[in-house]
Amino acid sequence: GAVVSQHPSWVICKSGTSVKIECRSLDFQATTMFWYRQFPKQSLMLMATSNEGSKATHEQGVEKDKFLINHASLTLSTLTVTSAHPEDSSFYICSAYTSGRAGETQYFGPGTRLLVL
Amino acid sequence: DAKTTQPPSMDCAEGRAANLPCNHSTISGNEYVYWYRQIHSQGPQYIIHGLKNNETNEMASLIITEDRKSSTLILPHATLRDTAVYYCIARRGYSTLTFGKGTMLLVSP
Repeated sequence: GAVVSQHPSWVICKSGTSVKIECRSLDFQATTMFWYRQFPKQSLMLMATSNEGSKATHEQGVEKDKFLINHASLTLSTLTVTSAHPEDSSFYICSAYTSGRAGETQYFGPGTRLLVL
Repeated sequence: DAKTTQPPSMDCAEGRAANLPCNHSTISGNEYVYWYRQIHSQGPQYIIHGLKNNETNEMASLIITEDRKSSTLILPHATLRDTAVYYCIARRGYSTLTFGKGTMLLVSP
């Protein structure tokens, strides 16, 4: 299957600082990438859809000025959590579509665990 | 996309087949059935998907009923590493995957 990477895999930061998470499609080009987050013992929740060369679409309840998304190229999307607070501590996961023999399939990165102190 | 219903948990003995059911009684004709799994503290892993016909790949088999109202994911010889949460998702075209609570599969020695 297609490979999606994320960096860093985990990060600890102080409250009030900003954190950037990178998501890369390693062996395919992705015009659309997605950002999810997952709180402990809960399922994945879609935060935003990132489109190459245009503004991201944030889901209802997700502040676009707090969770900044940049999709600068067909292989890279970044999520910046601005002025992070302890309640932003979560597992952030990106994903991307690729076309193949099995049609359009969405592949996921390994996730980034964020802990805000 | 259609809502899916899965049992919250299942147990399976190592080496035996694991059969994970999914109900999607309101699925529409152009919605595919996708299966993903999430091993603890990792991103979801794609397993398999299908529309009408049964599908098989190196990981699993997907059996879809003729009326498409339910499906079963089969792991033919479960191993301890198959312990994970398994998600069944009905998805149309390019729509985003929406995750439910899934089934926690515990494979025991």
